Amino acid sequence: DAKTTQPPSMDCAEGRAANLPCNHSTISGNEYVYWYRQIHSQGPQYIIHGLKNNETNEMASLIITEDRKSSTLILPHATLRDTAVYYCIVRAETSGSRLTFGEGTQLTVNP
Amino acid sequence: NAGVTQTPKFRILKIGQSMTLQCTQDMNHNYMYWYRQDPGMGLKLIYYSVGAGITDKGEVPNGYNVSRSTTEDFPLRLELAAPSQTSVYFCASSYSGTGAMGTQYFGPGTRLTVL
Repeated sequence: DAKTTQPPSMDCAEGRAANLPCNHSTISGNEYVYWYRQIHSQGPQYIIHGLKNNETNEMASLIITEDRKSSTLILPHATLRDTAVYYCIVRAETSGSRLTFGEGTQLTVNP
Repeated sequence: NAGVTQTPKFRILKIGQSMTLQCTQDMNHNYMYWYRQDPGMGLKLIYYSVGAGITDKGEVPNGYNVSRSTTEDFPLRLELAAPSQTSVYFCASSYSGTGAMGTQYFGPGTRLTVL
């Protein structure tokens, strides 16, 4: 699985959009980009994933660059409950493929 | 659906003791996983299973054993507890290993301390 690089921490004002970047320059054609978050020692929570196209669900939007070497997770209206560690994970499309968690980005949403 | 449940929530062991961490899922998922998370670190895969009767090692399998006799249950066994096994243990499951159906759902975790 390709390695990912994320900033260790970010701040965001409540109600504003939070844009979390991720670099995955060695990504292969069959590798998906997944985003999970972990709120203070709880189990990780799935947010969104994508392969090539931009994706949106009720939680967030995922923007993947055309060359697929980087992506951005967008939380459109951040709330205090969005304060968490956000993990960007690149995962191969193979049987039993693991999720390789890096150190993620600590997002702090401020009132 | 309860999703993925884990017991116990907390446990303190003495060095050399054994215990089993329980994990059950009610989503009829084929794939199940065990991860550990040390303080301030990301999760590391211990073992995983692609179906009943089939298990495989992850990144950090030493000191652990697993079995998968049913689709629902995937217990993790620590035979001789060591302080290095002090960690939070997460169980996860997914319908398959690929694409959208490979999305993993996590339990609440078991916090284990070995003294």
